[in-house]
This record gives sequence, C-alpha cells and structure tokens, in this order.
Amino acid sequence: NAGVTQTPKFQVLKTGQSMTLQCAQDMNHNSMYWYRQDPGMGLRLIYYSASEGTTDKGEVPNGYNVSRLNKREFSLRLESAAPSQTSVYFCAGWGGFDTDTQYFGPGTRLTVL
Amino acid sequence: KQEVTQIPAALSVPEGENLVLNCSFTDSAIYNLQWFRQDPGKGLTSLLLIQSSQREQTSGRLNASLDKSSGRSTLYIAASQPGDSATYLCAVKRGGGYSTLTFGKGTMLLVSP
Repeated sequence: NAGVTQTPKFQVLKTGQSMTLQCAQDMNHNSMYWYRQDPGMGLRLIYYSASEGTTDKGEVPNGYNVSRLNKREFSLRLESAAPSQTSVYFCAGWGGFDTDTQYFGPGTRLTVL
Repeated sequence: KQEVTQIPAALSVPEGENLVLNCSFTDSAIYNLQWFRQDPGKGLTSLLLIQSSQREQTSGRLNASLDKSSGRSTLYIAASQPGDSATYLCAVKRGGGYSTLTFGKGTMLLVSP
C-alpha cells in the first residue's frame, strides 16, 4: 500500500494564482483531513471530510475550498493565493482499521510570492 | 476551545540520557491522546495512543502516561539515541469516530552522540 500520497511535493505561486493540492489514499479511510503547519503555530485543521460526500470547515478555512471526489481522493484548492498561505500542507486519513490514529501524507511545501 | 501546550519547545541531550516531554491540555473531556513523531521535511507518524480510560501505553523505549483529570500527559524516552532526534507532537481527540485532533506546537529534540 502507498498509504496517503500528496502531489505536488513543492510549489511556488505568485499572489493571485490558483492551484489544487491533491491527496489520495489506498487505506480505505472513511475520513480525510487537510492541515497546514506553520512555524510557531503548529498544525491547524483547514477542512475535513467525515465521509464520502461530506465536507466541513476546520479552524482556518478562509481562502480554501475542498472536494471529496470519491472515497480515495480529497483535494484542497486555493482560488487566489496570498502570501499568508505560504505553509506546509498535510493531508491525513482516518478509519478503515482497528486503530484510532490518523495517517499522514508527506506534505506539500507551498510558497506564495 | 481546547488548547494544547508542549513544554519544552526544544530540548538537547547527550546520547544515553532518559528524558521526559510534557503535554498539557485545557479541556479534560477528551476521547484519547496521541503522541506523534515528525522528522524534518516529513509527515507525522503515530507513536503511542492512549484512550481516555487508560493511564499509560508503552512501545519499546517509549512510555506515555495520561492524567486526564489534571490535563497532562508525558512522553518518557529511555536511553535516548541520535536516531530519536525529531519533533514530537501531542494531539488530543475530542470524541470518537471522525472527530478532529487538536495539536500542540511540538518539542524539537536533538540527541547528540
């Protein structure tokens, strides 16, 4: 199993550009999550999807949209990137196993100039 | 709102020392608490998960304890090794199922040979 995968690994955008971060999992997770990690701020939840077909806002949803395309895929879209969105973005999955932990992808490092 | 604090923010020890990382949380109504490890430029890996009804969990040289009533958890690392160098994060889960995690900002550990 590949686990939770994210693409791209690195991305540089100019202010105002748009992009979609992709996340896919082959672990039969029911729920999926998008976090951002910033120095001094820790990990903060952006959006999550409790199950296929549902999405909910987390702590810092402004400036982002998400799509739970199917059970395997959960994408994060920045419609008009801002320098404040420079961060490392992590996707995670939960469920489908007898353990209660979340499984994380390797992250996408995004810089907005 | 749940807040999770980790002390110290950074720790440097010589190889072979036993050490304790601390985590505190403001709302004792938690479902479980997890300790994660994050290597530089990587995602998070779950180390130990303690359910709210448990007092401790052990895995190899790692031992995590939980005192829910006082809002505290500790991660004890015995006989530290340079390979233990990483950032350690604790996270609390509010409820069961897809309920979200609240993370501390982490403790950056450096173990010198």
